[in-house]
Amino acid sequence: GNSVTQMEGPVTLSEEAFLTINCTYTATGYPSLFWYVQYPGEGLQLLLKATKADDKGSNKGFEATYRKETTSFHLEKGSVQVSDSAVYFCALGVGGNTPLVFGKGTRLSVIA
Amino acid sequence: EAQVTQNPRYLITVTGKKLTVTCSQNMNHEYMSWYRQDPGLGLRQIYYSMNVEVTDKGDVPEGYKVSRKEKRNFPLILESPSPNQTSLYFCASERGNEQFFGPGTRLTVL
Repeated sequence: GNSVTQMEGPVTLSEEAFLTINCTYTATGYPSLFWYVQYPGEGLQLLLKATKADDKGSNKGFEATYRKETTSFHLEKGSVQVSDSAVYFCALGVGGNTPLVFGKGTRLSVIA
Repeated sequence: EAQVTQNPRYLITVTGKKLTVTCSQNMNHEYMSWYRQDPGLGLRQIYYSMNVEVTDKGDVPEGYKVSRKEKRNFPLILESPSPNQTSLYFCASERGNEQFFGPGTRLTVL
């Protein structure tokens, strides 16, 4: 079946540090891949997405590249800020009637 | 503003007392779903609906009911809540694999 595995948290970084959150997936067919972010006290919101191999999604300084050969979609940011503190979810979708599959989430804390 | 709303945002109740969490979206999306979020378990889908009067079970449907009488509304019903349903609940609507989430309902069942 379809599944998403992302690195366990929590991750604690100093401001301006480089961030990587690993995400790998297992899927039949050609899924779309997503990163969602959940700020404290809020629902999830879409951060970025990629719909085919080698696509790069980007938003708010975050990037992730859809790597079919390694079945990965790692999230990166060159210089994190305190305001990036949140829980990040990797997800995949195969379309049709199949719901999105989410990873378990990675909590990021950025300290000044 | 395009949004998904849920009510109530917080609820403390007792075992066995029926409750309903409402969900409404103003984006005319056909697909809606309910999730629960628990520490260490991430998001798990409870029920989903592909359109009016079409609902189906997700991964953890036991103890829950839903209805979809109108496209915009998708209430979650707990007929007889139990303490293991204490959780954070999210409603979402979807178009083209992009999900739009409500702000969440934190439910505590004593």
